[in-house]
Amino acid sequence: EAQVTQNPRYLITVTGKKLTVTCSQNMNHEYMSWYRQDPGLGLRQIYYSMNVEVTDKGDVPEGYKVSRKEKRNFPLILESPSPNQTSLYFCASSLNRDTISYEQYFGPGTRLTVT
Amino acid sequence: AQKVTQAQTEISVVEKEDVTLDCVYETRDTTYYLFWYKQPPSGELVFLIRRNSFDEQNEISGRYSWNFQKSTSSFNFTITASQVVDSAVYFCALSERYSGGGADGLTFGKGTHLIIQP
Repeated sequence: EAQVTQNPRYLITVTGKKLTVTCSQNMNHEYMSWYRQDPGLGLRQIYYSMNVEVTDKGDVPEGYKVSRKEKRNFPLILESPSPNQTSLYFCASSLNRDTISYEQYFGPGTRLTVT
Repeated sequence: AQKVTQAQTEISVVEKEDVTLDCVYETRDTTYYLFWYKQPPSGELVFLIRRNSFDEQNEISGRYSWNFQKSTSSFNFTITASQVVDSAVYFCALSERYSGGGADGLTFGKGTHLIIQP
């Protein structure tokens, strides 16, 4: 089954404790991205990757890191989480740059709480 | 820059009423795509529809219908005979064929929380 998976689905952590949210897709997609969703703000893009070893900032990259060492994985790293990073996070993928505009597959979301 | 406005933050109706969710967008591109997603209380994003800028035909899918009007830059979503299971947050989103730089991907509206009361 074609899918985007995220782990963990729920996470409660404390300020400053490094964490990684994993994202994996099994569709051989080149393009992957991360969004965060906050009440009243909709979804905003954090980072995206056009292909292996190619990443770029989205609208709200501060406080986040990403890496793309393999095509299927695109982990989101919070080196020193803060309470304002409490949010619902979505990973998404698309076949390539040409298909970004009309077809993106979303993961199930990761609900992160930073206390 | 592209922008999506969902002016209705929250709508509450009684079951079986019809309800329309508004979406107004801004883009300088002539080629773009518009989307609607549903987010039920469980949190996942459920894709409802995609429409490209060259296709202004309205679409109907069961109790759902969409009205795309380029003249007013709107892509409104109507639920006919609403049901409690329609309660969710609904997002309208826009994607340009090629973004000019900066963020890539979908631009989302802030969402409309739809509450269907029994």
